[in-house]
Amino acid sequence: SQQGEEDPQALSIQEGENATMNCSYKTSINNLQWYRQNSGRGLVHLILIRSNEREKHSGRLRVTLDTSKKSSSLLITASRAADTASYFCATDGNGNYQLIWGAGTKLIIKP
Amino acid sequence: DADVTQTPRNRITKTGKRIMLECSQTKGHDRMYWYRQDPGLGLRLIYYSFDVKDINKGEISDGYSVSRQAQAKFSLSLESAIPNQTALYFCATSDPDRGPYGELFFGEGSRLTVL
Repeated sequence: SQQGEEDPQALSIQEGENATMNCSYKTSINNLQWYRQNSGRGLVHLILIRSNEREKHSGRLRVTLDTSKKSSSLLITASRAADTASYFCATDGNGNYQLIWGAGTKLIIKP
Repeated sequence: DADVTQTPRNRITKTGKRIMLECSQTKGHDRMYWYRQDPGLGLRLIYYSFDVKDINKGEISDGYSVSRQAQAKFSLSLESAIPNQTALYFCATSDPDRGPYGELFFGEGSRLTVL
């Protein structure tokens, strides 16, 4: 079953623009994580936000969490070509120590 | 050198063959995981291990088995491979001191094709 669902499935923007991706989930969570995957490579952890946090920053990344709407957003500011990748959210919430993953948003940054 | 190393990186095999994917890590983490990634479906957990004597089934364990040979080594086996096991497989680790749902550290993946 899929707890997290990212939106949009694909996003293409010009270099320098901001990119926003969203993640919705179904059950209550302890935390939500965002990961990046370059094509065919391993996933890399970007940021973890806890259920009692509303916003978190890391460099050009800004993550928000709205537990009342069961949703999170990842904002990448001043995008670069190197940001081209797929972005995944992962949540807990099923009580058996397993993260549940969304299908990802494919982000393409055009030069 | 990578902290989480998977071998082989690519493998093509035939239906019915036994395949082993190996994972070793230098992060010193007790927790290790095997995931499968299919296009459009995200990651799905196959098996996980919280220490050498602890093995747990994940969401899609049928057709797979694992062995935790040491804290640093966790291997995934397909006893009799079938075409719908064609996928990208990832090994990951996590630090239990970061809680039960902490950050995962991934290997580069093993792409398996079953003909």
